[in-house]
Amino acid sequence: NAGVMQNPRHLVRRRGQEARLRCSPMKGHSHVYWYRQLPEEGLKFMVYLQKENIIDESGMPKERFSAEFPKEGPSILRIQQVVRGDSAAYFCASSPNSGTRNEKLFFGSGTQLSVL
Amino acid sequence: GDSVTQMEGPVTLSEEAFLTINCTYTATGYPSLFWYVQYPGEGLQLLLKATKADDKGSNKGFEATYRKETTSFHLEKGSVQVSDSAVYFCALSDPTGNQFYFGTGTSLTVIP
Repeated sequence: NAGVMQNPRHLVRRRGQEARLRCSPMKGHSHVYWYRQLPEEGLKFMVYLQKENIIDESGMPKERFSAEFPKEGPSILRIQQVVRGDSAAYFCASSPNSGTRNEKLFFGSGTQLSVL
Repeated sequence: GDSVTQMEGPVTLSEEAFLTINCTYTATGYPSLFWYVQYPGEGLQLLLKATKADDKGSNKGFEATYRKETTSFHLEKGSVQVSDSAVYFCALSDPTGNQFYFGTGTSLTVIP
């Protein structure tokens, strides 16, 4: 049973380019979360999605950032026109269908984005 | 809104020392509480959890007790090992189980 898969593991972009980060949740999981981790700042929530729906995007910058979780395929976090401040580790996590508050999150190994 | 505050690091301990990492929370309703651990270059892994007041979560020698009266969930281990060196995150999930809130993480280094 594969865990949460994120790719690429490392992504290098120049300023102004686009970055696409992919996340395949664990089998049977319909909830996906994206977090950003900056050195010395801990883990910051960005967005929470269910299949084909954005449930909570309160942590995501209003410009240049978008996320989707289509019916088929992985969840995508897209950053347009990247800037140096976007350099960070981006983690995806998934959980099964909600309905119980006891569910935990399963994390991927992250994508380290470096903007030159 | 719901939030988690945890002890700032970094923390450096000698092997076999006693560990405490403090965590307090603010929440409406009755959240579940978690400790996650992140080893270098990896994602977060669940270490332990507690789902109601007075519950004690435990795993790999680590323990934490859900204290509603003090809104705390402090992580303890009686004798740390070098392999425990990692970043530890306190977290809570809201009563719906849909939203998770993380602390800023506490870096622990254990020296031989």
